[in-house]
Amino acid sequence: AQKITQTQPGMFVQEKEAVTLDCTYDTSDPSYGLFWYKQPSSGEMIFLIYQGSYDQQNATEGRYSLNFQKARKSANLVISASQLGDSAMYFCAMREGSGGFKTIFGAGTRLFVKA
Amino acid sequence: NAGVTQTPKFQVLKTGQSMTLQCAQDMNHEYMSWYRQDPGMGLRLIHYSVGAGITDQGEVPNGYNVSRSTTEDFPLRLLSAAPSQTSVYFCASSQALGQGGQPQHFGDGTRLSIL
Repeated sequence: AQKITQTQPGMFVQEKEAVTLDCTYDTSDPSYGLFWYKQPSSGEMIFLIYQGSYDQQNATEGRYSLNFQKARKSANLVISASQLGDSAMYFCAMREGSGGFKTIFGAGTRLFVKA
Repeated sequence: NAGVTQTPKFQVLKTGQSMTLQCAQDMNHEYMSWYRQDPGMGLRLIHYSVGAGITDQGEVPNGYNVSRSTTEDFPLRLLSAAPSQTSVYFCASSQALGQGGQPQHFGDGTRLSIL
């Protein structure tokens, strides 16, 4: 069955340092996609980065990169040079690809960036 | 640039009442879904749709009903409201899978309280 696990309820990071948010997943579908979203305190969901199961290279988008380890079924988000505005909830999500759209989310990690 | 529009933004119901949460998107997206967000539990998928006339159950479908008569609209009906359905509800849409890692576009959410 499709499952997403985020084991860090909360994380602290010093401004300008890098931080890694963990995400592990489980699926029997060989075709799937992994997403990270940010939810600031204002409540909107903001798409950050995507990794496809067949992608050979780790995805990067500006200060965000995805450390994709397929054999370990992990898709950790790395935020480099943290900024105060990065303080938010972060959600990992997985979409199974074989003819479906069903996308499920992890419980999220709340990131606090300290000045 | 309307994107995904949810109405109402806030609603208070009494136990046993029924109501419909509205969701409309103007991006011609095939896929639409409903999530509920509760503290510590991330976003849980209620129902989703892969196109007009096609719907399917997500992780927590009980007590909710959906229909998809048009591409644009995907209403969520609470049949008989219960306090356990107090939550923030998000509607989301995205393009077809064949176009790569298309992220979901989220509405602003509906904050629902059941007394």
